[in-house]
Amino acid sequence: KQEVTQIPAALSVPEGENLVLNCSFTDSAIYNLQWFRQDPGKGLTSLLLIQSSQREQTSGRLNASLDKSSGRSTLYIAASQPGDSATYLCAVRDKGNTPLVFGKGTRLSVIA
Amino acid sequence: EAGVTQFPSHSVIEKGQTVTLRCDPISGHDNLYWYRRVMGKEIKFLLHFVKESKQDESGMPNNRFLAERTGGTYSTLKVQPAELEDSGVYFCASSRGRTSWETQYFGPGTRLLVL
Repeated sequence: KQEVTQIPAALSVPEGENLVLNCSFTDSAIYNLQWFRQDPGKGLTSLLLIQSSQREQTSGRLNASLDKSSGRSTLYIAASQPGDSATYLCAVRDKGNTPLVFGKGTRLSVIA
Repeated sequence: EAGVTQFPSHSVIEKGQTVTLRCDPISGHDNLYWYRRVMGKEIKFLLHFVKESKQDESGMPNNRFLAERTGGTYSTLKVQPAELEDSGVYFCASSRGRTSWETQYFGPGTRLLVL
């Protein structure tokens, strides 16, 4: 049974710092991995989706990497801003069009 | 394009009562998923519709939960009778279903509190 772990559970950084959020999964036979952002009281917004054949994806200041063999992914946020404060969720999919398996998330606070 | 919408945004009910949650997916999306997050836990899958058919309902916790998707458009999730442990945030997500790698679009969730 696939399990997803995210470390740390919470993180507080000063504005401008670069930071890394970690995600690990127990079964490396994944189809793809997705990073989401959730703001308080809001739904989940997809940030990056990495297919199993890819090593990384980039969008603006965000870069997500995937090491399938070791069951790890990282989300790198460059030059953090207070607007980046949110909960970041990692989710994997074991097959196409199947449900996502989520981690508990990392709650990020960027202090101005 | 309107996003996934959910109603109500919040619901507070007493144990033993019935609650019905509604999800309107993005127009044209064949896949509709229900997920739930209870306090302190990760978001967990409940069930998956492809159009009006239940593709996978392995995550439904018990027979107090009933989901429908009449006509393959909106979906309802009924909890009857509600128990204290049903409290949490219920999310709905949809995707087109044309390709196997596309993302799911999530609604804002319904926050359910059972007293």
